[in-house]
Amino acid sequence: EPEVTQTPSHQVTQMGQEVILRCVPISNHLYFYWYRQILGQKVEFLVSFYNNEISEKSEIFDDQFSVERPDGSNFTLKIRSTKLEDSAMYFCASSEAWGGSMYEQYFGPGTRLTVT
Amino acid sequence: KNQVEQSPQSLIILEGKNCTLQCNYTVSPFSNLRWYKQDTGRGPVSLTIMTFSENTKSNGRYTATLDADTKQSSLHITASQLSDSASYICVVIYRDNYGQNFVFGPGTRLSVLP
Repeated sequence: EPEVTQTPSHQVTQMGQEVILRCVPISNHLYFYWYRQILGQKVEFLVSFYNNEISEKSEIFDDQFSVERPDGSNFTLKIRSTKLEDSAMYFCASSEAWGGSMYEQYFGPGTRLTVT
Repeated sequence: KNQVEQSPQSLIILEGKNCTLQCNYTVSPFSNLRWYKQDTGRGPVSLTIMTFSENTKSNGRYTATLDADTKQSSLHITASQLSDSASYICVVIYRDNYGQNFVFGPGTRLSVLP
């Protein structure tokens, strides 16, 4: 069964450094998402991406974040200058479509980001 | 303020028993409501998607209900199994002028004991 994959599974970085989290969505899916979950807290939506541009984004997704689909398979989340509070599990998800809001989102296993 | 609340915060039941998890929301305008299962350290897995017009939807041993008038949803798990131990997250989606918005609940942590 196709699945969303994410790399790395765990990333440790120093405050102020740039990190890139990578995701490979399910191949025939058109919509891609990033979420984060700070330890012990609820999942939070960051951004959705369709047709090579951001479709929606939350207040959390500020100028230090960016997303990109550099090729036909990868979907990346870049954090330009990491802060301690960026430490969280970051989940990528994809769906076939979105328009009718009835399409399931398939989540990847997550990347645990630790900022020291 | 758009919020999703879930109860109980945690629940412990014996294998084979049934349980019901609650979700109350103040989100408006409502688009759809989703229940996810999240195993520790893993991504959420979709269980059900419910629209305004749907009252009940089943997925195997999981049955979700929705009362759009009272803004309440429940997830009933029948004949629980050890593998049901996970967090169950209620997510309500609404639309505004800027597009889709996702409001996640804090989850209910379910532990199924042998």
